[in-house]
Amino acid sequence: SQTIHQWPATLVQPVGSPLSLECTVEGTSNPNLYWYRQAAGRGLQLLFYSVGIGQISSEVPQNLSASRPQDRQFILSSKKLLLSDSGFYLCAWTRGQGTETQYFGPGTRLLVL
Amino acid sequence: AQTVTQSQPEMSVQEAETVTLSCTYDTSENNYYLFWYKQPPSRQMILVIRQEAYKQQNATENRFSVNFQKAAKSFSLKISDSQLGDTAMYFCAFIHMDSNYQLIWGAGTKLIIKP
Repeated sequence: SQTIHQWPATLVQPVGSPLSLECTVEGTSNPNLYWYRQAAGRGLQLLFYSVGIGQISSEVPQNLSASRPQDRQFILSSKKLLLSDSGFYLCAWTRGQGTETQYFGPGTRLLVL
Repeated sequence: AQTVTQSQPEMSVQEAETVTLSCTYDTSENNYYLFWYKQPPSRQMILVIRQEAYKQQNATENRFSVNFQKAAKSFSLKISDSQLGDTAMYFCAFIHMDSNYQLIWGAGTKLIIKP
């Protein structure tokens, strides 16, 4: 069966510090991968998606970036965090072909102070 | 533009009652999928049910069922015999076949099940 992991679970960072959130998927190959952000009490905002290694598409211009160094690894980064980067970050995966259901990881709570 | 609208920001019902959450969507596509996701206080996003637009039969998963009205672009979720563990945010989402699997999300409905 497939599982998706995210770490860290919670992170408190000062403004201006760098960020690295990691997402890994087990039990499947060549997944589509997604990064979402959710502000408190709000819906999900798609940040990035990837259909393969090194292939990243950005949905929202911001100071965040994403990378996919391996088939089942997706990383969300920032060189300098802003207060507005605080939120709940969710990673999701879907099979590259044949199914359209997205499955989500447990999420990372980020608080920028 | 493709949109998903959930008109009920919050609902509450007594345990064991039946509750229906509404969702409407707007699209010009013909091949698409609709989803209901549940987000409990832990904030993990959990798939509740999925409906393929080409299927006329409404999807069901145990106590959860949908009323899919394609012409009206309506996709409501019915929860029967509600339980305390059903307390959560419920999100309706839509995706069409040529979108690289990018989901369009509603704003969510907060459902509270009272003991």
